[in-house]
Amino acid sequence: EAQVTQNPRYLITVTGKKLTVTCSQNMNHEYMSWYRQDPGLGLRQIYYSMNVEVTDKGDVPEGYKVSRKEKRNFPLILESPSPNQTSLYFCASSLIGGNSPLHFGNGTRLTVT
Amino acid sequence: AQKITQTQPGMFVQEKEAVTLDCTYDTSDPSYGLFWYKQPSSGEMIFLIYQGSYDQQNATEGRYSLNFQKARKSANLVISASQLGDSAMYFCAMREARDDKIIFGKGTRLHILP
Repeated sequence: EAQVTQNPRYLITVTGKKLTVTCSQNMNHEYMSWYRQDPGLGLRQIYYSMNVEVTDKGDVPEGYKVSRKEKRNFPLILESPSPNQTSLYFCASSLIGGNSPLHFGNGTRLTVT
Repeated sequence: AQKITQTQPGMFVQEKEAVTLDCTYDTSDPSYGLFWYKQPSSGEMIFLIYQGSYDQQNATEGRYSLNFQKARKSANLVISASQLGDSAMYFCAMREARDDKIIFGKGTRLHILP
């Protein structure tokens, strides 16, 4: 089954404790992206990648890191999480091209205390 | 700069009525795609419909259609014969060809009343 898999689904952590949210897709998509969703703000892009070893900042990259060492994986790293990073995070992937819809993972709800 | 605006934070519609969700956008790229996604209360993001900037006809997918008015930079989603299961958050999104960046509007929460 074609899918984007994010883990974990829920995560509660404390300020400053490094964490990684994993994302993997099995559709051979070149494009992968991370979004955060906050009430009243919609989805905001954190980082995106158009191919292996190619990553670009989205609109809200501060406090986040990503890597794209393999085509299928695009982990999101929070080196020192803070409470303002409490949010719902989505990983998504697609083919390159303006007519290609994003395929989303099921989301990761992160709480930083 | 890219921008997507959804001016309706929330809407209440009677079941079986048609509903229009507004979306306006701003871009200087002549080549772009417009998308609508549905997010039910369970949280997943579901792709509904796509419209390309060069498409001459409005896109349709079952009960969903996209009212594309290029000169007005408008891409409204029309849901015909609404159903209770249409209650959800709806997001409009745009993808520019030049950098493949994809941005979303803030969403409209649609409530279908029985």
